[in-house]
Amino acid sequence: GAVVSQHPSWVICKSGTSVKIECRSLDFQATTMFWYRQFPKQSLMLMATSNEGSKATYEQGVEKDKFLINHASLTLSTLTVTSAHPEDSSFYICSARPQRRGTSGIFQYFGPGTRLLVL
Amino acid sequence: QKEVEQNSGPLSVPEGAIASLNCTYSDRGSQSFFWYRQYSGKSPELIMFIYSNGDKEDGRFTAQLNKASQYVSLLIRDSQPSDSATYLCAVSGPLRGSARQLTFGSGTQLTVLP
Repeated sequence: GAVVSQHPSWVICKSGTSVKIECRSLDFQATTMFWYRQFPKQSLMLMATSNEGSKATYEQGVEKDKFLINHASLTLSTLTVTSAHPEDSSFYICSARPQRRGTSGIFQYFGPGTRLLVL
Repeated sequence: QKEVEQNSGPLSVPEGAIASLNCTYSDRGSQSFFWYRQYSGKSPELIMFIYSNGDKEDGRFTAQLNKASQYVSLLIRDSQPSDSATYLCAVSGPLRGSARQLTFGSGTQLTVLP
């Protein structure tokens, strides 16, 4: 149980285009999903927290107009990188927190990640 | 001061030895502590979770928590080459609405030598 998928796993695009990444919880409902970015040899940096049906909360330094997040259902959140540039090339990872009470509700289950390369 | 600090390594141990990974955190209000394993090119995988002072054992893994010292560690007994990975320490942080975030350390790269 607690499987999270991401699509696509790899994307290569030209500078200036927009890229959409999907994050799905396959066997549970997730009230909260998180989007992270990881550059080579660095740790995960939280970009934003996404709650179903409400606006995402972005971390300091993350442009909300560039990284559009939509969490339209309890099983799907999307991250759109608008007008992508080479410096946006990174490993984007989502995680989902189950809609549960108690201890199990604090866990985050990670998707397999999406590697973005902007040429 | 970083919120969650780890030695970046690399840490090398021979096969069969005990690998010891350390992590300190700055927020005394932190309540939950996690160890994730991340293989190169993959996303993190949860291997241990602890929230009470003391030790928690799961197979070859033991997590140790000392809240007074703001210190959490991970011991890997009988290390295997397949344990070679980056180990991320994560601390449950402040509420953002109804969600608690995880703050990650920079990770310790472990290599287990055959």
